[in-house]
Amino acid sequence: GIQVEQSPPDLILQEGANSTLRCNFSDSVNNLQWFHQNPWGQLINLFYIPSGTKQNGRLSATTVATERYSLLYISSSQTTDSGVYFCAVPPSGSARQLTFGSGTQLTVLP
Amino acid sequence: NAGVMQNPRHLVRRRGQEARLRCSPMKGHSHVYWYRQLPEEGLKFMVYLQKENIIDESGMPKERFSAEFPKEGPSILRIQQVVRGDSAAYFCASSRRDRGYNEQFFGPGTRLTVL
Repeated sequence: GIQVEQSPPDLILQEGANSTLRCNFSDSVNNLQWFHQNPWGQLINLFYIPSGTKQNGRLSATTVATERYSLLYISSSQTTDSGVYFCAVPPSGSARQLTFGSGTQLTVLP
Repeated sequence: NAGVMQNPRHLVRRRGQEARLRCSPMKGHSHVYWYRQLPEEGLKFMVYLQKENIIDESGMPKERFSAEFPKEGPSILRIQQVVRGDSAAYFCASSRRDRGYNEQFFGPGTRLTVL
C-alpha cells in the first residue's frame, strides 16, 4: 500500500516563529487532507488539497502531486497551534478511506 | 449544522465485556468510516460503510470486531470480548455521497479503556 511519511517528527517553536511541515507519499494521489489533532484529541480539518495552494489565516498548504509531497506552513505560531499535525491520502486512486502519516508533534512555547 | 457525533466519549470495560460505539454522520453525509488510534500512534483505517452496506472492511481485525450502518439510526462499531489491547481512541468520519473522493470530517472520538 501507499506509504506516507511526515517530517519532522517533533518540532518545538517559540511563539511567533514560522514553520514548515512536510508530507511525502510513495504513489500518485488525487486527494490529500491535513488535520490538526489538538491536545484534547480532537481532529480538526485544516485543508483538503489534492493539488495547488490554499490559505486559511496563518496557515497555508501546497501540494505538488507530480512530485508526491505536500507542505503545511504555519506563520506567527501561537500556543494554541500545539498538537499533532497529520496528513492523509487515499491508499489508491479508487479508494475512499485515508492512510495517515505518523504525524508531526508541534509544541509552541510562550 | 451539527458535525459528526460520537457516543459515548469515554467508555470503560472489563476484559471479556462488549463495547458498542456509536456514530451519527454529518447531515447530508451517507458514507461512514471508522479509524482506530492506538496510544502514541497515528490513525489506522478499519471499515468503510454506506447505509446497510459494508464497502471495505480490510482494516478490521478478523475476530471480535463488527460494524453496521443501518437504514435508520447511527453506525455501530461493536467489539466483543474486549482485551487490554483494544484500549484506544476510535474515530468515526463521514463524507458526502458524490462520485469520487470527498473530504472526510471526523467526530470527537470514543476513548475505550479496557481494565
